[in-house]
Amino acid sequence: DAGVIQSPRHEVTEMGQEVTLRCKPISGHDYLFWYRQTMMRGLELLIYFNNNVPIDDSGMPEDRFSAKMPNASFSTLKIQPSEPRDSAVYFCASRRSGQGLDEQFFGPGTRLTVL
Amino acid sequence: GDSVTQMEGPVTLSEEAFLTINCTYTATGYPSLFWYVQYPGEGLQLLLKATKADDKGSNKGFEATYRKETTSFHLEKGSVQVSDSAVYFCALSPMNRDDKIIFGKGTRLHILP
Repeated sequence: DAGVIQSPRHEVTEMGQEVTLRCKPISGHDYLFWYRQTMMRGLELLIYFNNNVPIDDSGMPEDRFSAKMPNASFSTLKIQPSEPRDSAVYFCASRRSGQGLDEQFFGPGTRLTVL
Repeated sequence: GDSVTQMEGPVTLSEEAFLTINCTYTATGYPSLFWYVQYPGEGLQLLLKATKADDKGSNKGFEATYRKETTSFHLEKGSVQVSDSAVYFCALSPMNRDDKIIFGKGTRLHILP
């Protein structure tokens, strides 16, 4: 099992540019989560999906952020336009529903730097 | 709502010292409880878990016991090593709900040689 795959691992961009982060969950997992981690705010849940449907996007900071999950094996988190305060590590995680199967598996993260 | 509170860090210890990181939770019924660890430059990974009262989760020399009466799940290790330096997250999964896991804010641990 390859685990949760995220790309790119590092992204450096300039303020105002569009940024797209990608995630491939573990096969068979029906929940997918996007998190943001910074020193100041810690680990924040941005949005999560169940069976490709967004369930809770209350953590998305503002309209500049959007997330999609067009199929069970792919999700994107887009920031447009990006700002320096968006600099953080973004993690994707997935899990399978069912009693006793509540462990979440995290990807390695994408480190985003907005100049 | 459900929540997790863990001790603030950073925690700095010498190698071979005894470690305790406190964690308490608020939830209805009997949630599943977890400790996740994040090593530098990596994502979070499950360290141990317990699913019912009085269960003890253990892994890599770490232990935590599910205490319903004190709503706690403290992480302990008898003799820490430099390689244990990481950020540790306490977390819970609400009872009978296929839903998100609720994480604490994390505790950074530094082990000095």
